[in-house]
Amino acid sequence: QVSLVESGGGVGQPGGSLRLSCRASGFTFRTYSMHWVRQTPRQGLEWVAVISNNEKIQHYADSVKGRFTISRDNSINTLYLEMTGLRPEDAAVYFCAKDGHTGGGIIYHFDSWGQGALVTVSS
Amino acid sequence: QSALTQPASVSGSPGQSITISCTGTSVGAYNSVSWYQQHPGRAPKLIIYDVVNRPSGVSDRFSGSKSGSTASLTISGLQAEDEADYYCGSYTGIITTLHVFGSGTTVTLL
Repeated sequence: QVSLVESGGGVGQPGGSLRLSCRASGFTFRTYSMHWVRQTPRQGLEWVAVISNNEKIQHYADSVKGRFTISRDNSINTLYLEMTGLRPEDAAVYFCAKDGHTGGGIIYHFDSWGQGALVTVSS
Repeated sequence: QSALTQPASVSGSPGQSITISCTGTSVGAYNSVSWYQQHPGRAPKLIIYDVVNRPSGVSDRFSGSKSGSTASLTISGLQAEDEADYYCGSYTGIITTLHVFGSGTTVTLL
């Protein structure tokens, strides 16, 4: 059974940094691309970033490009999101999500989700 | 502002069928539309992918279709457990944002 568990959420200062982690189990992590998706009551769901199974490809939404970095450590089945230059509009629940492509590619649908990590941006 | 347009709410009586629409340029360009169900306080759950496919374990009361730039999710035999928010999503092919979600539709039972 697939399990994705986020951690690292909390309060970050404007201009500050936070790092989210997502521990995966129940599937062969190294063979799947992974995403971060965030949600706010006002903006709804927003795709944030994707990383391929072998880390060679990363793509970002324009809203976070240059400030957020997605990475992964396949040896410990963990996905990361390093968030820097935090803005008030980055406040959201952040979900890690597994890509549905079974062959290591990226197909942009999300067949398993974590429970979410709340990020608040406040001084 | 979302690049995919959904109605804010749809309602129906138990046992009835309802349809939720999702309109946008990327829907017409790619067969990569997916639908997600989200109950309050829970993570979204994939219920349709690639326009028409249901993941294993998802009820066959959920079905998807597409015509031109509009995708649709139909829920037949509406049940109390179907009350939730529903989001469509699509690959865009645009490097600045490769995936977009709809604004979400709240399904309510009458």
